[in-house]
Amino acid sequence: QSVLTQPPSASGTPGQRVTISCSGSSSNIGSNSVNWYQQLPGTAPKLLIYSNNERPSGVPDRFSGSKSGTSASLAISGLQSEDEADYYCAAWDDSLNGWVFGGGTKLTVL
Amino acid sequence: QLQLQESGPGLVKPSETLSLTCTVSGGSISSSSYYWGWIRQPPGKGLEWIGSIFYSGSTYYNPSLKSRVTISVDTSKNQFSLKLSSMTAADTAVYYCARHGRGDPDAFDIWGQGTMVTVSP
Repeated sequence: QSVLTQPPSASGTPGQRVTISCSGSSSNIGSNSVNWYQQLPGTAPKLLIYSNNERPSGVPDRFSGSKSGTSASLAISGLQSEDEADYYCAAWDDSLNGWVFGGGTKLTVL
Repeated sequence: QLQLQESGPGLVKPSETLSLTCTVSGGSISSSSYYWGWIRQPPGKGLEWIGSIFYSGSTYYNPSLKSRVTISVDTSKNQFSLKLSSMTAADTAVYYCARHGRGDPDAFDIWGQGTMVTVSP
């Protein structure tokens, strides 16, 4: 059972906007930045969003992140078939003194 | 650009110690801005942070694995390594090495391709 809670699955049709939630606690999301990773099938995770809402160079602005209290969200607008992947949230946990990840959300583009 | 590459055995026997190395190329491991970490992913499951090391040798580990984990760094070879003792089937996973920031931002921004480790007699 993961420290951060994500829905196991999400889906949408091309062009739609989908959001993926990530719920934590005061010791992780509540006091530290949230990062999001995209893992395409058979590949290593890739940094998608850092510091709650910042995009690394090369990540399309269709991807955005937000944080409020002890929860965070990843939004994908203008959904494309190539967005079909697993998405993970992560944050530092002050109580565990280590990194914690969500269980991952499998996004299906219908 | 900076690249990370894991190396080590793909098969380990139960009770043995896993040894993996991550080689950093295209940049120096001796940067004051980054930590170097290990993350694993069991087949069909999510990501689990194992531990991280600074070039000075300072380490911190996942409390759930701490008793079995040792991470070390060799700055002369631009490498860092993972040792995980008393391996069981539950340790079967893809093992990734990755770089993460020291301070803000602190994300794992560069990852190796991963190496599959199977624990089997």
